[in-house]
Amino acid sequence: QVQLKETGPDLVQLTQTLSITCTVSGFSLTTYNVHWVRQPPGKGLEWMGAMWNGGGTDYNSAFKSRLSISRDTSKSQVFLKMNSLQTDDTAKYFCARLKRRVFDYWGQGVMVTVSS
Amino acid sequence: DVVLTQSPATLSVTPGERISLSCRASESVDTYLHWYQQKPNESPRLLIKYASQSISGIPSRFSGSGSGTDFTLSINGVELEDLSIYYCQQGNSLPYTFGAGTKLELK
Repeated sequence: QVQLKETGPDLVQLTQTLSITCTVSGFSLTTYNVHWVRQPPGKGLEWMGAMWNGGGTDYNSAFKSRLSISRDTSKSQVFLKMNSLQTDDTAKYFCARLKRRVFDYWGQGVMVTVSS
Repeated sequence: DVVLTQSPATLSVTPGERISLSCRASESVDTYLHWYQQKPNESPRLLIKYASQSISGIPSRFSGSGSGTDFTLSINGVELEDLSIYYCQQGNSLPYTFGAGTKLELK
């Protein structure tokens, strides 16, 4: 069955870099797209960026040049890397599968706190 | 960017009643408008896709309608398990965007 699972740190220091891995199963990264969405505590959902099945990427301009998404198809993994973290980057980070413009499966998310 | 405005922000409901939640887009998103349910400490769950298409495993009391800029999610006979936050999301253009959510609470 389709599954996505995020792994990453619970705590990141101010101005440091966040790295999260999304490991997927039940589908191929060369067939489906995987996107990143985040949710600050008590707030709504924010689309961050995309890893398309062809290997291309797109990013929300809100993150300017801080965000990078990559993948390793042999390991069925998609990576999020974001630098210069601030306290307002404290959030739960989700990876989600996109099928025909719909997020049909989501990971459980990883809660990341940025600490000063 | 397409702004999605959901209303109301909070809706107090009584089990059994029929309710409607609104999502308005700042520009046309055709029918690339999807609805998700999120319970505390859970991931969002897809409820309705392409404005009105049902999802396997989702109770039939959930339905959607609309196109262009105005969309509605209806629940015909609210149950206690439906007390959650509901988000709309547009997949018409990047960046994909979400509404701020409507929270269903018990009256």
